[in-house]
Amino acid sequence: GAGVSQSPSNKVTEKGKDVELRCDPISGHTALYWYRQSLGQGLEFLIYFQGNSAPDKSGLPSDRFSAERTGGSVSTLTIQRTQQEDSAVYLCASSGRLAEETQYFGPGTRLLVL
Amino acid sequence: DAKTTQPTSMDCAEGRAANLPCNHSTISGNEYVYWYRQIHSQGPQYIIHGLKNNETNEMASLIITEDRKSSTLILPHATLRDTAVYYCIVKGGTSYGKLTFGQGTILTVHP
Repeated sequence: GAGVSQSPSNKVTEKGKDVELRCDPISGHTALYWYRQSLGQGLEFLIYFQGNSAPDKSGLPSDRFSAERTGGSVSTLTIQRTQQEDSAVYLCASSGRLAEETQYFGPGTRLLVL
Repeated sequence: DAKTTQPTSMDCAEGRAANLPCNHSTISGNEYVYWYRQIHSQGPQYIIHGLKNNETNEMASLIITEDRKSSTLILPHATLRDTAVYYCIVKGGTSYGKLTFGQGTILTVHP
């Protein structure tokens, strides 16, 4: 596709359940980023992939959060045993290999934990 | 990456130019200035970026002062659809591209 796509668009889950969020980057983009935007808060970085490797996972808030990327393309962000404070919009962005290349964002997945 | 300072909110009349300022007094030589905007309930949209020269594209113009300590994003003919939160971000050109978002400027375009 022409842009970054994310699925699902919206997800409602119960506290304690696991959820998986998917990101399809722009074709050919080697770098992929996950961010989170909580209600009334700014966007915060979660994790960065270059290819299938994650050189920086420093933004993951707890060990309940994990992410993987396979084939240098699709990435999945998994949240285990969800808590109400995990409710947020999860955003994915991708860019080319070089550090100065522009990041393009997807529409986000809105997660609500009841 | 250098910290940025933006006004919390600004208003603009439809059809007029919107000039959004950003201070980045601690910017270093290899850091770029990026502008994104976020319209309610959507992902951030890239607008423009620059290093030291002024830049223009189909969306906006970016004016960077000679000392690079501040910049201005110009939307030449604002429309109601330009109402959004505008983020000015400084990012290193030689380090991987994690973006650090501040609070941004809420631009409201009035009819």
